[in-house]
Amino acid sequence: GAGVSQSPRYKVAKRGQDVALRCDPISGHVSLFWYQQALGQGPEFLTYFQNEAQLDKSGLPSDRFFAERPEGSVSTLKIQRTQQEDSAVYLCASSWQGGYYGYTFGSGTRLTVV
Amino acid sequence: RKEVEQDPGPFNVPEGATVAFNCTYSNSASQSFFWYRQDCRKEPKLLMSVYSSGNEDGRFTAQLNRASQYISLLIRDSKLSDSATYLCVVNGGGSQGNLIFGKGTKLSVKP
Repeated sequence: GAGVSQSPRYKVAKRGQDVALRCDPISGHVSLFWYQQALGQGPEFLTYFQNEAQLDKSGLPSDRFFAERPEGSVSTLKIQRTQQEDSAVYLCASSWQGGYYGYTFGSGTRLTVV
Repeated sequence: RKEVEQDPGPFNVPEGATVAFNCTYSNSASQSFFWYRQDCRKEPKLLMSVYSSGNEDGRFTAQLNRASQYISLLIRDSKLSDSATYLCVVNGGGSQGNLIFGKGTKLSVKP
């Protein structure tokens, strides 16, 4: 596609519910990143894939967060047993190669946990 | 100390003003540097890459000082449409590293 596509655009989850957020990167982009952005803050790194390999997951805040990219294209970020502090915008970005030349973000998924 | 620190905002300036944003970073191994722009409730978008020699794109000038680990962005003749949050961004080190974002500085340009 022309850009990075994320779905859903908005998600309201009850506390304790599991959620799955989808990212469809720009076609051919090898690198895929997930970020979490809380209100009034800059994006915080969560995890990074190169093709299907998860090279860095150091930013995942707890073991409730899990990301996968099984075929090296579409990625899913899953949050189990959501908590109120998980409320944020989740941004996906992709690039040809890592972050050296910058990357392109999707519109994000705004998650609200009630 | 946060890895990327920016001027606290907000900056409220009149149209036509010149405004400068400053940023410092802690990882001396960082190799690439950017300014991103983020409009309210939108995703960040790449504004400029920052090169060692400094670079200019129309009304925007970016400077990098590796010795001081300092990055700046200058906006001349500011427009109402420049109102946004400006994010200082540094790569985490190496050619494959993730990007690290500052908290951002909000700019409001008033008529």
